[in-house]
Amino acid sequence: GAGVSQSPRYKVAKRGQDVALRCDPISGHVSLFWYQQALGQGPEFLTYFQNEAQLDKSGLPSDRFFAERPEGSVSTLKIQRTQQEDSAVYLCASSWGTGRPTEGAFFGQGTRLTVV
Amino acid sequence: AQSVTQLDSQVPVFEEAPVELRCNYSSSVSVYLFWYVQYPNQGLQLLLKYLSGSTLVKGINGFEAEFNKSQTSFHLRKPSVHISDTAEYFCAVKIMDTGRRALTFGSGTRLQVQP
Repeated sequence: GAGVSQSPRYKVAKRGQDVALRCDPISGHVSLFWYQQALGQGPEFLTYFQNEAQLDKSGLPSDRFFAERPEGSVSTLKIQRTQQEDSAVYLCASSWGTGRPTEGAFFGQGTRLTVV
Repeated sequence: AQSVTQLDSQVPVFEEAPVELRCNYSSSVSVYLFWYVQYPNQGLQLLLKYLSGSTLVKGINGFEAEFNKSQTSFHLRKPSVHISDTAEYFCAVKIMDTGRRALTFGSGTRLQVQP
């Protein structure tokens, strides 16, 4: 596709509900990142994939958060038993190479999750 | 651990005036430096980056930034802003020479350009 696509754009979940957020990276991009952006804050790193391998998940805040990229393209971020503090915009980014700084990362528009 | 501080949460400025958005970082190792812009309801877009070499970096839309190692700063400047520059601006760092590929972002500065 022309850019990184995320769906849904907006999601309202009741506390305790499970949610799944989807990211379609730019075709052929090897690296994929997930970030969480709370209101009024900068994005914070959650996890990183190189193809289908999850190489860094140090930013996942709890074991309720799970990400996968089974075929090395589309990725899903799953949050189980959502809580109010999970309310944020979840950003996906991809880059063509192995995530080195010389490469530009392209960001999607994000999914705004509101837990009520 | 590294951190990024953006000293101003909001910067109001009149159209055609110059602007400087401040960014300071803290890191025990060398870092690469980035500025991203986020327009309303849009994803982040890379404005410019400093990897090595000349400390003055030019980016898109007439923006530039200067890396100052002694002051651990990477301030963003534009000599004359337009209404269309109204957006949120984020400074970010990435650690050199490690396998860690994540960016560490500041909390952002909202640039409000007034007519």
